Amino acid sequence: AQSVTQLDSHVSVSEGTPVLLRCNYSSSYSPSLFWYVQHPNKGLQLLLKYTSAATLVKGINGFEAEFKKSETSFHLTKPSAHMSDAAEYFCVVSDDFNKFYFGSGTKLNVKP
Amino acid sequence: GAVVSQHPSRVICKSGTSVKIECRSLDFQATTMFWYRQFPKQSLMLMATSNEGSKATYEQGVEKDKFLINHASLTLSTLTVTSAHPEDSSFYICSASKGRDYGYTFGSGTRLTVV
Repeated sequence: AQSVTQLDSHVSVSEGTPVLLRCNYSSSYSPSLFWYVQHPNKGLQLLLKYTSAATLVKGINGFEAEFKKSETSFHLTKPSAHMSDAAEYFCVVSDDFNKFYFGSGTKLNVKP
Repeated sequence: GAVVSQHPSRVICKSGTSVKIECRSLDFQATTMFWYRQFPKQSLMLMATSNEGSKATYEQGVEKDKFLINHASLTLSTLTVTSAHPEDSSFYICSASKGRDYGYTFGSGTRLTVV
């Protein structure tokens, strides 16, 4: 069975400080892992994906994530938050590239 | 790129009526599309897998007679919410892929409000 746990429902950071959004997964197979961002009243935008290549994945807008199999984690980071990063972020696992299983989401608030 | 268009973006309907939502892959052919539902303050839940030319596969707990899915061509899948009720009010979003190595692209979603 596949599942995703996003450890924080809300994260608040100051502009210019680092961002860490935590995600742990459970999968019966070698997983494909994704991070998506959803701005208010908008659809989902892919930030990055891991598909068994390099464990450190770089995405758009300065975000990156590291796949750690021993910890079953795929945390999302960004060195310096920008006001435009305020949104909801979803960690997603897909085992066979067919079905996506979403985490509960983390709302990121960026303070000026 | 891989663009998925979803229409309408917002719809308000009366209780008891039916609403159709379209999901189109604009620049690629998608043999498989997926429909998700997101209730307020909750995550997205997969509703069904839509396969071109065949019946959709529904996830457990999703009423197939209420949520009719048609995938008549390689670029279009439709979700019809029949006899809508206020509890069907939700954000519905589709996704499609042009192939195993390309990942999935999501539509912009449809916010359905049943009054």
